[in-house]
This record gives sequence, structure tokens and C-alpha cells, in this order.
Amino acid sequence: AQSVTQLDSQVPVFEEAPVELRCNYSSSVSVYLFWYVQYPNQGLQLLLKYLSGSTLVKGINGFEAEFNKSQTSFHLRKPSVHISDTAEYFCAVSFAGYTDKLIFGTGTRLQVFP
Amino acid sequence: DAGVIQSPRHEVTEMGQEVTLRCKPISGHDYLFWYRQTMMRGLELLIYFNNNVPIDDSGMPEDRFSAKMPNASFSTLKIQPSEPRDSAVYFCASSADASNYGYTFGSGTRLTVV
Repeated sequence: AQSVTQLDSQVPVFEEAPVELRCNYSSSVSVYLFWYVQYPNQGLQLLLKYLSGSTLVKGINGFEAEFNKSQTSFHLRKPSVHISDTAEYFCAVSFAGYTDKLIFGTGTRLQVFP
Repeated sequence: DAGVIQSPRHEVTEMGQEVTLRCKPISGHDYLFWYRQTMMRGLELLIYFNNNVPIDDSGMPEDRFSAKMPNASFSTLKIQPSEPRDSAVYFCASSADASNYGYTFGSGTRLTVV
């Protein structure tokens, strides 16, 4: 069965430290992968996406993610976080043959401390 | 492009009252999605439409919830009668092609039922 897992519900980090938010999926078909960010009291915004080609994808605000097919992962990274990166981050997957909709993970709350 | 527009932004109502949430998708987007977000249950897909036709309403919690899309530029989510446990943030999202572009979310309607 197709599924998306974000194992970390919360990730606390200090400002200027690197961060990695983990996303794993389960699928027997090809996938398209997305990361969304939700700032407090706002809707979800697209951060980046992987459709094909280079497995390293760069997004807005200095974030990047790497698609690893063998490990069925799409982890989100940033080398140096800012206070303003404090938000909820959602991984989402579209599965080939079921491309009407995205399946969202449960979200990871990134809390950046000064 | 004004994005996905939801109204009202906030709604406070008394238990038993009818509540109607509204959504205007991005012009040209054939898909429209209604989500509910709570701390306990996270982001839940309630229903989605393709070309104004409901495709999957399996996420609608009970018969008190109904959704319509009378034309390509407007959708409503109605709760009648409302209950305190319906308190949540309700998001509308639209998409031209989920697998290639993902979704564009509205800013949400924060519903409080007292």
C-alpha cells in the first residue's frame, strides 16, 4: 500500500544550525514528491518538488531535498536555519496511477531557538 | 492571480447552527480539495472534485457535512447542524495537475463552534 511517513513530529534546533526533516514513502509505483511549509495561522505553501531528473532539488528559502529511490526517502535539509523557519513542514507524495491527489505526511514541527 | 480565496477567514457559531464555508479556486484548475486540520488529527482530506464533480467524499466525517461545486469558480462546504468537535481550520486547495504542480492552498477558515 502507498503511504508517507514523517517520523519526527517535532525538531528543535538552534539558529544557524543545520537541520534535516525526514520523509519516507512506501510505493510499488513511481512517485512525485513535494514538501510544503505552513507558517503559523497560514495555509500550506509549496517549498519544492521532485518530478524527475536530478535527485537534488532546491526550493525556496534555502531549503533543498534529495530523492533517494533505494531508501524511498525524500529528506528536507537546510544548512543554516533562521528563527523565521519556525513552521510546520509537510511531505506529500503523488503516486503514478493515482495522480489526482497528494498523500500528505503527518507533518514535522520545526522550532528554531535563538 | 489572487490564488485560492476562502471566506470567511474566521467563523464563530453556536452549536446547532448551520455553517457555510466558501472557496474560489484558481481559474483553470480542474481539481478542488477540502481539508480539515486539527491538532489531534492533523490534515484530513474531506472531499475532492474534478471538473465540478465529486470524486471521493470518503473523508466526510458524517452526514452533517456536505459539499457542492455548482461551477468551476465556486465551492461550498456546509455543516448542519454544527457541533463543538467540528472546530478546526478548514482549507480549500486547487490544482491543475497534482502530480506535476501539487496544490495551491487557500489561507483557511478557522471555525469555532461554541
